[in-house]
Amino acid sequence: GAGVSQSPRYKVAKRGQDVALRCDPISGHVSLFWYQQALGQGPEFLTYFQNEAQLDKSGLPSDRFFAERPEGSVSTLKIQRTQQEDSAVYLCASSPWTEAYTGELFFGEGSRLTVL
Amino acid sequence: EDKVVQSPLSLVVHEGDTVTLNCSYEVTNFRSLLWYKQEKKAPTFLFMLTSSGIEKKSGRLSSILDKKELFSILNITATQTGDSAVYLCAGLSVGGATNKLIFGTGTLLAVQP
Repeated sequence: GAGVSQSPRYKVAKRGQDVALRCDPISGHVSLFWYQQALGQGPEFLTYFQNEAQLDKSGLPSDRFFAERPEGSVSTLKIQRTQQEDSAVYLCASSPWTEAYTGELFFGEGSRLTVL
Repeated sequence: EDKVVQSPLSLVVHEGDTVTLNCSYEVTNFRSLLWYKQEKKAPTFLFMLTSSGIEKKSGRLSSILDKKELFSILNITATQTGDSAVYLCAGLSVGGATNKLIFGTGTLLAVQP
């Protein structure tokens, strides 16, 4: 497709379950970002990949959160032993740029996670 | 700690009004200030501002950055109901191997007919 694709769009998990959220960036985009957006808040940075390398994971809130991008394209954000405070929309964004950053991130529509 | 503060948090206007949205920032390794529009789904890019005092325009929207005062504004003239959305401001931090956007909480704009 032409844009960033995320799946699932909606996920309901019971507390303690593991979840995996997928992001298909725009083909050829080098940079990939994950953001977490709680209700009524702005997106908060989680992690950044340049190709397959995870260059920054400073925003991951705990060791229950893990992200990978093994072939430099599709990325998966995994949350283990989900807690209610993990309920949020998880946004993926990609960019064709690395250091010469133009600012125009292309966002997916997000995966809305609800933990009961 | 990096922070981006937007005001007002919400705003209700009538069609045809002009609005000004505010954004102040404290971002380490600051490179640029970005504005996005979010309508219940993916944020869409509006502007990126890197230099002080240079206004960027796109139709009825315009924005300017003041790097001395660490401040930016987004103006929308002759508002339309289709302008109703959350407007997000973000500071771009570029340092070492990383670059990331630090977002504010957004301004919720409602334009009434």
